[in-house]
Amino acid sequence: GAGVSQSPSNKVTEKGKDVELRCDPISGHTALYWYRQSLGQGLEFLIYFQGNSAPDKSGLPSDRFSAERTGGSVSTLTIQRTQQEDSAVYLCASSFTGGGTAEGYTFGSGTRLTVV
Amino acid sequence: DQQVKQNSPSLSVQEGRISILNCDYTNSMFDYFLWYKKYPAEGPTFLISISSIKDKNEDGRFTVFLNKSAKHLSLHIVPSQPGDSAVYFCAASPTTSGTYKYIFGTGTRLKVLA
Repeated sequence: GAGVSQSPSNKVTEKGKDVELRCDPISGHTALYWYRQSLGQGLEFLIYFQGNSAPDKSGLPSDRFSAERTGGSVSTLTIQRTQQEDSAVYLCASSFTGGGTAEGYTFGSGTRLTVV
Repeated sequence: DQQVKQNSPSLSVQEGRISILNCDYTNSMFDYFLWYKKYPAEGPTFLISISSIKDKNEDGRFTVFLNKSAKHLSLHIVPSQPGDSAVYFCAASPTTSGTYKYIFGTGTRLKVLA
């Protein structure tokens, strides 16, 4: 597609439920990143996928968070047993190469997650 | 612990005047810095970058200044236009850790008044 597509754009879920957030990167982009922005905070790095390499999961805040990238394309971020502190805007970005400068990042418009 | 700080959550400037957005960082290992712009309901878009070997980088109306000794960078927009109204994020990274792990500030909301 022309840009990075994220779905849903908004998600309201009850505390304790699981949620899945989807990211469809730009075709041909080998690198994919997940960030989140909580209220009053900066963009927080979560996870990075580059081609077939093992993902860098060092930013995931707890083991309730997991992500996968199927076929080197679409990625799903899963949050299990959601908590209110998980409420944030979750942003996905992709770039043609990984480990390069961030000029190459194209961000999606994000998923606003609200845990009630 | 905020390694990248944007202490002004908002800024209002008259059209045609200069907008100055500031960013401070604490990690002396940071050597690559970027500014992103974000409109409502859209993802951030890259604006301008600077590496630590420079103290200034200019692109049209946008100039970024880096003061390494003060661990401070600023973005100047001259002249400011109403279309510049957006949230601006600065971001930093130590290139030795892999330049994909950018640390972002909390953003400054700029409003340019017509």
